[in-house]
Parts: sequence; C-alpha cells; structure tokens
Amino acid sequence: EPEVTQTPSHQVTQMGQEVILRCVPISNHLYFYWYRQILGQKVEFLVSFYNNEISEKSEIFDDQFSVERPDGSNFTLKIRSTKLEDSAMYFCATTGPPSRETQYFGPGTRLLVL
Amino acid sequence: GENVEQHPSTLSVQEGDSAVIKCTYSDSASNYFPWYKQELGKGPQLIIDIRSNVGEKKDQRIAVTLNKTAKHFSLHITETQPEDSAVYFCAASGGTSYGKLTFGQGTILTVHP
Repeated sequence: EPEVTQTPSHQVTQMGQEVILRCVPISNHLYFYWYRQILGQKVEFLVSFYNNEISEKSEIFDDQFSVERPDGSNFTLKIRSTKLEDSAMYFCATTGPPSRETQYFGPGTRLLVL
Repeated sequence: GENVEQHPSTLSVQEGDSAVIKCTYSDSASNYFPWYKQELGKGPQLIIDIRSNVGEKKDQRIAVTLNKTAKHFSLHITETQPEDSAVYFCAASGGTSYGKLTFGQGTILTVHP
C-alpha cells in the first residue's frame, strides 16, 4: 500500500537555525498539508498546498515558515529561524483521487529546538 | 473557525468490552468526519470516516455515528483487543475550510487483557 514518507525522523537544532522538513507524497496525490503536534496537545493545521500555491494557512504559519515543492516529488516545510516553541512533531498529509477529503499522514518528524 | 471537542481524554476497558469516544463540532457547515488512530511514535492512521449525508457507518468492529442536528459524532469499538490500545483522534473538515482538518484533543484508549 502506498505511503507518505517523511525525513528526517528526528532533528535536533539550535534556536535560530533553519530547518527543512521533507515529505514524499503518495505518487498521484496533489493536495498537501503540514500539521504539527506539540507534546500532549492536539494535532494542529499549519498549511495546505495545491498547484504550487498555498491554499490556506493558520495563524501559526507566520513569516518564518514556508513551503514548496521544489522538484515535483518532495514537499518541504522550512522554518527559517527556529524558536524553542517550534519543538513538536510535524506531520505531512496528502490527498488525491478518488477522494480529496481523505488525508493520509506520514510518520512525522520530531523536531527539538534547544 | 471550527472547534472540535473530544471526550473522554482517557478510557480504560477490559478486553472484549466496547469502547465509545464522543466528539462535538461547532461549524454546522462541516461535512466530513474522520477518525484516526495514533500509535506511539507513528503518524495518525485513518480508521474510519463518515460524511454528513450518512448517519452511521460500520467496518467490522468499528462503527461511527453522526448526529448533524446535535453536531456530534461518536466512534464505537466492539470486542476490544489489546492491539486497539492507542490514541484516537476525531476530526472535522468542510464548510469554510475545505480540506483543513480540525482535530479533537485525543483519547488514550487502554485495553487490558
């Protein structure tokens, strides 16, 4: 069964550093999402992306965040200058035919900002 | 925006018993309600979903019910097994934010052998 994959599985970084989280969607999927889950809290929507554009973003997704699909396969989330409060699990999700609603999640990247 | 509340936060049952998890949502325009199971160290996995034109859906030991009028939906797991132990999340989408999932707080289900 096709799966969403994410790399790295874990990342430790110093505050102020840039990180790039990568996602490889299921091959025929066209709608992409990033969510985050701070330890012990709800899964929170960050951004949705379709046709090389952001469709919707949350209040969390401020100017330090960006997304792109640089090579037609990977879907990336960049955090420009990490803060302590960015420490969380980051999940990529994708949807595609036959249902645009059903989102398939990757295993996540655990980000720790020191 | 949409707000989803989930109860209980923890649920402990004996193997073979049933488990019920309930969620309420605030946006009457929401029309898609998935349930996810999350095991330790893994991403959420879709286990069942329901759309607003359906009141109930069943898949083997798992069923979901939806009451649009009351804006609540529930997950029912029958004949629970230890491998059902995990965190379960409800979510809602549709309406003004198509595609964006709003999650509940999660329920830690423990099934004792």
